[in-house]
Amino acid sequence: DIVMTQTPLSSVVPLGQPASITCRSSGSLVHNDGNIYLSWLHQRPGQPPRLLIYRISRRFSGVPDRFSGSGAGTEFTLTISRVEAEDVGVYYCMQATQFPPYTFGQGTKLEIK
Amino acid sequence: EVQLLESGGDLAQPEGSLRLTCAASGFTFNYYAMSWVRQAPGKGLEWVASINFSGETTYYGDSVKGRFTISRDNSGNTLFLQMSNLRAEDSALYYCAKDGVKNGYSYFDSWGHGTLVTVSS
Repeated sequence: DIVMTQTPLSSVVPLGQPASITCRSSGSLVHNDGNIYLSWLHQRPGQPPRLLIYRISRRFSGVPDRFSGSGAGTEFTLTISRVEAEDVGVYYCMQATQFPPYTFGQGTKLEIK
Repeated sequence: EVQLLESGGDLAQPEGSLRLTCAASGFTFNYYAMSWVRQAPGKGLEWVASINFSGETTYYGDSVKGRFTISRDNSGNTLFLQMSNLRAEDSALYYCAKDGVKNGYSYFDSWGHGTLVTVSS
């Protein structure tokens, strides 16, 4: 199974400053169809996860453009250009290329200073 | 608007059974694979099971294989998870999640709010 490793596991970022989270996969995420099914989810306290980014860099409907995704091979990054108060919570990367199983990163807790 | 509404979570005895239900609306249910994902209190996300768009193909995580059964009723736009031989470590919030691509396994673009399962004597 593919193991997804996120760093850092927690981060405190001043309001308005950038933040980034890295996710490394233990194997290739290139699917037979040529796509890379790496997505990013955000979970606010007490809420279900919601999709932010899919296929490495595509923003889901309604996601602010301060969120961006990048990466290739086995290393992927979620970047928030200017953190806002509503961005607190836990961020997860997830791979679907080597399904089954779907696998998630451990989660990165983001706090705002 | 996509809506996923889980129900059926409860307090269950070890070795007991529960049936979870997810009522779906706002999209063409029989086009998309569906999954259950769980989250133990204070922990991360764990994939539990998935079913393809037609219901003919199912997949399970190792921790639930042989004990849980995922199924769907496309005429009623409903997803199910039959849970048996429950263990304490099955205690979690169970989310229903919709795949983002027709007939595929790609990413979860919609999530329900979850239903809580607690296994304890």
